[in-house]
Amino acid sequence: EIVLTQSPGTLSLSPGERASLSCRASQSVSSSYFAWYQQKPGQAPRLLIYGASSRATGIPDRFSGSGSGTDFTLTISRLEPEDFAVYYCQQYGSSRYTFGQGTKLEIK
Amino acid sequence: QVQLVESGGGVVQPGRSLRLSCAASGFTFSSFGMHWVRQAPGKGLEWVAVILYDGSNEYYADSVKGRFTISRDNSKNTLSLQMNSLRAEDTSVYYCAREGAYCSGDTCYRYYFDYWGQGTLVTVSS
Repeated sequence: EIVLTQSPGTLSLSPGERASLSCRASQSVSSSYFAWYQQKPGQAPRLLIYGASSRATGIPDRFSGSGSGTDFTLTISRLEPEDFAVYYCQQYGSSRYTFGQGTKLEIK
Repeated sequence: QVQLVESGGGVVQPGRSLRLSCAASGFTFSSFGMHWVRQAPGKGLEWVAVILYDGSNEYYADSVKGRFTISRDNSKNTLSLQMNSLRAEDTSVYYCAREGAYCSGDTCYRYYFDYWGQGTLVTVSS
């Protein structure tokens, strides 16, 4: 099973700053089968990015995804107050879906 | 608009069974793979099971294989999860989620979750 490791565990930034969240896979994954989600307290996760770099419907363009192979990055260009949440990466391989453990983005 | 509404959660004793349901609306249910994903209190997301659009195949996480069964009724737009031999570690919020797929030219993006329900809490405790 492919293991996804997200870093950092917690990221403390201020509104207006740039955020870079990392997700590393234990073996190479297909970019076409890689996604990012945002989850706020008490809410279901929301799809942000699919195919490693394609924004989901309604997602602001300050969110962008990049990467391939074993290293993927979610970048938020200028943080808005509503962006402070937990972010998860996810991949598919061999009939299994796995998530990273999450990165908490908190207000500094 | 796409809506997924879970039901059936509650408190159950270890070793007992529980059945969750997910009512889908706002899209052609029979055209999409459907999943269950769970989240233990204060923890991350864990994929549980998937059933193909036509019910022809199912896949499970190792942690639930042999105990949980995913099923669907395309005539009623309903997804189900039968959970047997429940354990304390099954305590979680259970979400149903639709599998997204998008093709552009020769590239198809698949195996992500584009819509989620609000979740239903299952607590396994004596």
